[in-house]
Amino acid sequence: KAGVTQTPRYLIKTRGQQVTLSCSPISGHRSVSWYQQTPGQGLQFLFEYFSETQRNKGNFPGRFSGRQFSNSRSEMNVSTLELGDSALYLCASSYRTALSDTQYFGPGTRLTVL
Amino acid sequence: AQTVTQSQPEMSVQEAETVTLSCTYDTSESDYYLFWYKQPPSRQMILVIRQEAYKQQNATENRFSVNFQKAAKSFSLKISDSQLGDAAMYFCAYRSSGGTSYGKLTFGQGTILTVHP
Repeated sequence: KAGVTQTPRYLIKTRGQQVTLSCSPISGHRSVSWYQQTPGQGLQFLFEYFSETQRNKGNFPGRFSGRQFSNSRSEMNVSTLELGDSALYLCASSYRTALSDTQYFGPGTRLTVL
Repeated sequence: AQTVTQSQPEMSVQEAETVTLSCTYDTSESDYYLFWYKQPPSRQMILVIRQEAYKQQNATENRFSVNFQKAAKSFSLKISDSQLGDAAMYFCAYRSSGGTSYGKLTFGQGTILTVHP
């Protein structure tokens, strides 16, 4: 079974631009969670989508948004980029059931904001 | 809000030796899950081991085992017979048992493990 895939793997943007990152979960997984990883703040939860609905949101400004499609693929959008948005963005998928809740991570998208 | 603390920014071990990574957490919940993830230089997060809080038995996965002390809110990872491939950043993570926090992992700051040949 194929793992979680994220595209693109690397991205360079300038301040003020917007960016969209994509995450394709493991087949059959309906939950997708997004995390931001930076050297200073570590790994922080952005949001989770399940069955096309946002179920939980972390403490990030409204510039960070996401959505999930009927095939469970998810996109994350960051508008009006700031230098501090430079980070590794990880997505993770799971079945989100009591018997199978482990999150499996993708390889990440490295975003650099200049 | 739950917090996870890894007090060892860096650890090192000789190949074939045993090393223990520490993790403590703070929560008011009685039911939750704890995880150890490994992140090698490739940055791919890999699940190492999972523990349900309601289970008293410590989880084990081959050379990896945990010491789960619920009352002390401690969750350490022991790596036996360390191998060069174990070198990575290790993260301890907490997840609530359900509700809206189902898909949210709270991570510690990580411990960099170096394995010396």
